[in-house]
Amino acid sequence: DAKTTQPPSMDCAEGRAANLPCNHSTISGNEYVYWYRQIHSQGPQYIIHGLKNNETNEMASLIITEDRKSSTLILPHATLRDTAVYYCIVREWNQGGKLIFGQGTELSVKP
Amino acid sequence: DAGVTQSPTHLIKTRGQQVTLRCSPKSGHDTVSWYQQALGQGPQFIFQYYEEEERQRGNFPDRFSGHQFPNYSSELNVNALLLGDSALYLCASSLEAGGGNEQFFGPGTRLTVL
Repeated sequence: DAKTTQPPSMDCAEGRAANLPCNHSTISGNEYVYWYRQIHSQGPQYIIHGLKNNETNEMASLIITEDRKSSTLILPHATLRDTAVYYCIVREWNQGGKLIFGQGTELSVKP
Repeated sequence: DAGVTQSPTHLIKTRGQQVTLRCSPKSGHDTVSWYQQALGQGPQFIFQYYEEEERQRGNFPDRFSGHQFPNYSSELNVNALLLGDSALYLCASSLEAGGGNEQFFGPGTRLTVL
């Protein structure tokens, strides 16, 4: 079973920041937080991952709380192309290919 | 640089038949994982292949089997198809040396079992 809880859906206005929350209250010390997204009819796409420090790349920022029990994925300027299902996954480093997906959050970016 | 490719794109089979799906990993990747995604659900891990051997397996029956070739490409075989096997089958590749921490997914094969 997935170790994360996410809201089933969210809306965001185009050009505004999209903040997607994830709860992972049972995360262990050696587990990382990963985010993937899946645009309709495509395979999932890796976005970002982190352990305990905030992370930023060209796609998004990841904010992890100090107790590591929750995190937020931030898309700073959402576009219509960011409409997708976003999955938050916790996983040990070097655990190989196994990703346990939950239901994810369906983000709708509206004009 | 070609990403992960899968074939065929779509497939229709009838109950009891057998099917083979194919995957070519991203250039330079040596590990292939397979996932099943039912409509409206997140992907479910089937198994992973590395060095031509099955290394991890999810909760799927023995009807699901696979193979990895020396060039790292992979096949997923499903025997005795059931209606419930209708799903999007996704292949993901990664680099073992990178700890499998960034999986690259293909576009999937949509299997319909009638």
